[in-house]
Amino acid sequence: ETGVTQTPRHLVMGMTNKKSLKCEQHLGHNAMYWYKQSAKKPLELMFVYNFKEQTENNSVPSRFSPECPNSSHLFLHLHTLQPEDSALYLCASSQESSYSSGRAGSDTQYFGPGTRLTVL
Amino acid sequence: GQQVMQIPQYQHVQEGEDFTTYCNSSTTLSNIQWYKQRPGGHPVFLIQLVKSGEVKKQKRLTFQFGEAKKNSSLHITATQTTDVGTYFCAGMWNTGRRALTFGSGTRLQVQP
Repeated sequence: ETGVTQTPRHLVMGMTNKKSLKCEQHLGHNAMYWYKQSAKKPLELMFVYNFKEQTENNSVPSRFSPECPNSSHLFLHLHTLQPEDSALYLCASSQESSYSSGRAGSDTQYFGPGTRLTVL
Repeated sequence: GQQVMQIPQYQHVQEGEDFTTYCNSSTTLSNIQWYKQRPGGHPVFLIQLVKSGEVKKQKRLTFQFGEAKKNSSLHITATQTTDVGTYFCAGMWNTGRRALTFGSGTRLQVQP
């Protein structure tokens, strides 16, 4: 499946490093999401972007900074992370309903393969 | 916030046995979706249920949506080793919020 791609697939970083995760969707969707998956919380929604605008931030620490330059790309900028931030970071996209255009959505989410992040 | 409670957390079965996972919401859902995540993989969409009392089948998988649209189940008949993975339900309510809320998942292990 190549509808949603994520890079890098694996990342090891120190607590003082700055890195970015990239997600790209090739499905023509208008909504994109960042999830954190760890043993403690299987699928924790972090951010939601709809038509490039952030519509949801679930009390995520400021050391995680999302960026959505267009409907196809989503970034997660990381800085001064903690070891407990080690997890699988999943990106997803969906086609959400647009009330202004009358376009129907399906709400089905298509996930990328994830980035396995280890913070030392 | 609204949540979907999913049980059991973990299930270990012998190949050929049946398996069921359940999801519950305290309030009426607008729809519920099911996803499967293989070990080392990412969640993959299986199905969406929208109508009250809806039942859908995919080969050995049967999905149900309760009459009150507050609960749902996924039943696998005669499990195979290829069914191994974590099954997640994900719900949406009529609140205007468009993001799904995922259950905690049920991890299925199948012994050959």
